[in-house]
Amino acid sequence: DSGVTQTPKHLITATGQRVTLRCSPRSGDLSVYWYQQSLDQGLQFLIHYYNGEERAKGNILERFSAQQFPDLHSELNLSSLELGDSALYFCASSSTGSGTQYFGPGTRLLVL
Amino acid sequence: AQSVTQLDSQVPVFEEAPVELRCNYSSSVSVYLFWYVQYPNQGLQLLLKYLSGSTLVKGINGFEAEFNKSQTSFHLRKPSVHISDTAEYFCAVTVIQGAQKLVFGQGTRLTINP
Repeated sequence: DSGVTQTPKHLITATGQRVTLRCSPRSGDLSVYWYQQSLDQGLQFLIHYYNGEERAKGNILERFSAQQFPDLHSELNLSSLELGDSALYFCASSSTGSGTQYFGPGTRLLVL
Repeated sequence: AQSVTQLDSQVPVFEEAPVELRCNYSSSVSVYLFWYVQYPNQGLQLLLKYLSGSTLVKGINGFEAEFNKSQTSFHLRKPSVHISDTAEYFCAVTVIQGAQKLVFGQGTRLTINP
């Protein structure tokens, strides 16, 4: 158990819908990262938050957004969903300066 | 920018045989290196990491890896594998300074045959 929690574990929805994925980092970790894992693209970095502020963006679509709250949990919002958004979404956290990210169990999203 | 190449997409081995999973990286700046394992229908678990110091690093479950700066490689090894090692293995890098996003290789599927 990495100490990073993600909910829900599975999500099935329809095209055009909006979903919210939630992540709670390990106790004391200020950094939260989001990644997408798909068969064709592999593991891709989406976005990084540090103590509530956005620090870096990767290959994140404009339809996707994220935020980190004062209690340090983070949410990834996916809107206007398309079939191609079906993937496994991981959250990871790290402590300041550690260089090491610990991953949650992921949320498997299926868009029908 | 950084990139990671895992040279084998699939590696089949027999139980109790040794295995090496190969990883090469490209970066113009200093990096940290990692191996993660993903068991079927599970998340990513950290196997081992190289941050600094000894170039031979030991991880969980009997795995070890050697950082070779001149060859820009970070190959993963285990002297004797078990059925339970069947999983997908990912090599990843992150820059020491900056955003610290992880850049992953495409993964190597390790299959252990009895």
